[in-house]
Amino acid sequence: GNSVTQMEGPVTLSEEAFLTINCTYTATGYPSLFWYVQYPGEGLQLLLKATKADDKGSNKGFEATYRKETTSFHLEKGSVQVSDSAVYFCALNVGLPGETSGSRLTFGEGTQLTVNP
Amino acid sequence: DGGITQSPKYLFRKEGQNVTLSCEQNLNHDAMYWYRQDPGQGLRLIYYSQIVNDFQKGDIAEGYSVSREKKESFPLTVTSAQKNPTAFYLCASNGRGTEAFFGQGTRLTVV
Repeated sequence: GNSVTQMEGPVTLSEEAFLTINCTYTATGYPSLFWYVQYPGEGLQLLLKATKADDKGSNKGFEATYRKETTSFHLEKGSVQVSDSAVYFCALNVGLPGETSGSRLTFGEGTQLTVNP
Repeated sequence: DGGITQSPKYLFRKEGQNVTLSCEQNLNHDAMYWYRQDPGQGLRLIYYSQIVNDFQKGDIAEGYSVSREKKESFPLTVTSAQKNPTAFYLCASNGRGTEAFFGQGTRLTVV
């Protein structure tokens, strides 16, 4: 089956520090990969995505590259801000051949990030 | 604007009551999902539906029920058989192989 493994949290950084949150996956077929962010008391929002190998997703200074050879999709940001404090989820989705409907999503456990001023 | 709407935002349940959480989407997505999130925890899948009039149990379906009579709607009922229902409930939808869109969540509390 499909699975996503994220680095364990929580992660605490000072403002302007470099961020890496590791994510590795196992999947059948050809997955699309996603990072979601969840602020306190809210639903998840899509942060970035990549749909094929070597694609780089980016948004709001965050980046992640789809590495098929290492089955990884690590999230990075060069200089974090206090406003980046949230929970980050790595996820995958596989569109199976012949399927006409959406497929089952698979999420990692989430990583709590706290950025101190 | 297209999106996914959950209601209510806050819900209180008395012991032994059934309550129903609403989830509506106008994104024309075939697939819809219900997740439970406990404090400081990740997402646990309760039920999902790939198409109208069909749904499958997720990892923690006991004490919950769903229906999918319309493409746009996927309500979740928390029954009295769910002994520890206090949690944050999230609904999501997606198209084939695409990103999921989430509602803003319903916080259910047993009183």
